Amino acid sequence: QVQLQESGPGLVKPSETLSLTCTVSGGSISSYYWSWIRQPPGKGLEWIGYIYYSGSTNYNPSLKSRVTMSVDTSKNQFSLKLSSVTAADTAVYYCAREVGVPFYNYYMDVWGKGTTVTVSS
Amino acid sequence: QTVVTQEPSLTVSPGGTVTLTCASSTGEVTSGYYPNWFQQKPGQAPRALIYSTSNKHSWTPARFSGSLLGGKAALTLSGVQPEDEAEYYCLLYYGGARVFGGGTKLTVL
Repeated sequence: QVQLQESGPGLVKPSETLSLTCTVSGGSISSYYWSWIRQPPGKGLEWIGYIYYSGSTNYNPSLKSRVTMSVDTSKNQFSLKLSSVTAADTAVYYCAREVGVPFYNYYMDVWGKGTTVTVSS
Repeated sequence: QTVVTQEPSLTVSPGGTVTLTCASSTGEVTSGYYPNWFQQKPGQAPRALIYSTSNKHSWTPARFSGSLLGGKAALTLSGVQPEDEAEYYCLLYYGGARVFGGGTKLTVL
């Protein structure tokens, strides 16, 4: 079955750029939306944004100015960059597959295990 | 800024029934918000339970059901098991944006 695996540095310095990659195995990256979600320690889930396999994106307005997502269909990977990070960006970052059929169904069904990113000097 | 509100905490006895709700600051939650529900246990990633209001994933236990109730999305657990103790999150779709609720901590006691 489809599995997702997040990867990237676990420690990022303040003001630098956080970069994470999600590798999709057991299935194709095509025909799906791919989302990033984060969860600060002891807090709830926050949707960061999604990228469609074709490359179109939609970001959380509260993070939009700092977020960039990209997709590499040849590697079955998609990526997240979050710039100018502060301690408030410390969180577990998850990637998730999203199914979207307009006017019918939208859902996130497969999630990665998450990766912890700490912002600290 | 759209806010999705859930009960912060609920307690239920084993074998009992409990309903969690999910409200939108924009007004009534309808099927057009495609409500999703997730279960998260400590140290684990969220697991999808319900999508598009009431549809179950292939792995969702039969005791979980979703509906619309009083202008909100609702998740009902019938015949609660000890292993259902967890945090539950709803997710609503607002056109291109997605917003998670703050989560409900369900205690089975």
